Amino acid sequence: AQKITQTQPGMFVQEKEAVTLDCTYDTSDQSYGLFWYKQPSSGEMIFLIYQGSYDEQNATEGRYSLNFQKARKSANLVISASQLGDSAMYFCAMSLRRGSNYKLTFGKGTLLTVNP
Amino acid sequence: DAMVIQNPRYQVTQFGKPVTLSCSQTLNHNVMYWYQQKSSQAPKLLFHYYDKDFNNEADTPDNFQSRRPNTSFCFLDIRSPGLGDAAMYLCATSRAPGADTQYFGPGTRLTVL
Repeated sequence: AQKITQTQPGMFVQEKEAVTLDCTYDTSDQSYGLFWYKQPSSGEMIFLIYQGSYDEQNATEGRYSLNFQKARKSANLVISASQLGDSAMYFCAMSLRRGSNYKLTFGKGTLLTVNP
Repeated sequence: DAMVIQNPRYQVTQFGKPVTLSCSQTLNHNVMYWYQQKSSQAPKLLFHYYDKDFNNEADTPDNFQSRRPNTSFCFLDIRSPGLGDAAMYLCATSRAPGADTQYFGPGTRLTVL
């Protein structure tokens, strides 16, 4: 079965430091997409970064980078120079094709707290 | 700004009283999704529309229905809400199915009394 695993229910980081949020996935498909979303306490899911399974370069978006290790099936999110506003729930997700449809499957999330 | 809008942000309904949640988008995306997210859980896909084609998830209860009258709007109808249907309901859109990025609205938090 295809699934996403986030092993860190909660993480703490000091402001201005970097933090890595772990994500591993399990699929036998060759073509898939990996996403990270941020969900503040307000509830909105904010898209952060995307990595395609055929992309050879790690994706980067500002302070966010995705450490993609295909052989290990991991897609860790690295946040550099953490800010207080980064405190939120972070979800890793994978998009897979199922017949004529596609489905985005989420991990259980990691709650990140940035301390001043 | 182009965006995904959900109304209302907070909805209170009574047990068994039908309720409709609304989603609109200015992104002109072809695909619209509805997710249910219960407290401290990951979002769970209920169904999606690819243009006018409706795609229901196998485990979505019959109590949940959806309508997409045009490209911009999509509605979630809960015919007889139960206490277990209290949750955050998230609408999302994407240009196409597949690995295309989904953009989410702010959500509607449903309370069932």
